[in-house]
Amino acid sequence: GAGVSQSPSNKVTEKGKDVELRCDPISGHTALYWYRQSLGQGLEFLIYFQGNSAPDKSGLPSDRFSAERTGGSVSTLTIQRTQQEDSAVYLCASSLGGLSQGNQPQHFGDGTRLSIL
Amino acid sequence: RKEVEQDPGPFNVPEGATVAFNCTYSNSASQSFFWYRQDCRKEPKLLMSVYSSGNEDGRFTAQLNRASQYISLLIRDSKLSDSATYLCVVNGESGYSTLTFGKGTMLLVSP
Repeated sequence: GAGVSQSPSNKVTEKGKDVELRCDPISGHTALYWYRQSLGQGLEFLIYFQGNSAPDKSGLPSDRFSAERTGGSVSTLTIQRTQQEDSAVYLCASSLGGLSQGNQPQHFGDGTRLSIL
Repeated sequence: RKEVEQDPGPFNVPEGATVAFNCTYSNSASQSFFWYRQDCRKEPKLLMSVYSSGNEDGRFTAQLNRASQYISLLIRDSKLSDSATYLCVVNGESGYSTLTFGKGTMLLVSP
């Protein structure tokens, strides 16, 4: 379908390795969001893109986390030197407009389940 | 005070019951409000936006009380398929700001 697509769906890696998660938003959606959800917890906001720029990076938990978006479309979330506490489901969402444009519902991808051994 | 607070539940109700979820938020400048549902091990999906005047979509009614910083979701005639976690979502001031999710309230509808 034409929903938000995330890859990989599952990733298992060793502590200390770098990982890269990908999100392909719905075509035409200018806003893109990354969240993570740990087991039994609520959603934790990580970063928001409007076009290719990230006006709000306040949720990134540490400098090991970075994200970029190119061409106003695909985004990658990179976690360097992974730690066990990074294990979570990483969810990407997109919306037609940004947070400055009132009620803009977000549409979520299926998520990437990241497990750090 | 947590930014978005919900009763964790779970709410156990029989089919056909009416159930209400409450949510409070701390940022009085919040502008947008939503209810999402999340099935076990699935991504959240938008259930409905919440408008100032209140809004209804079939069996679901959402209300907003800005003075009390309170949002509610009412589900009438519960179905087994309504079993899920319901997430209250609030954004901050207009402009660039974080979107904050409550931890969700679990609903279990039994036959």
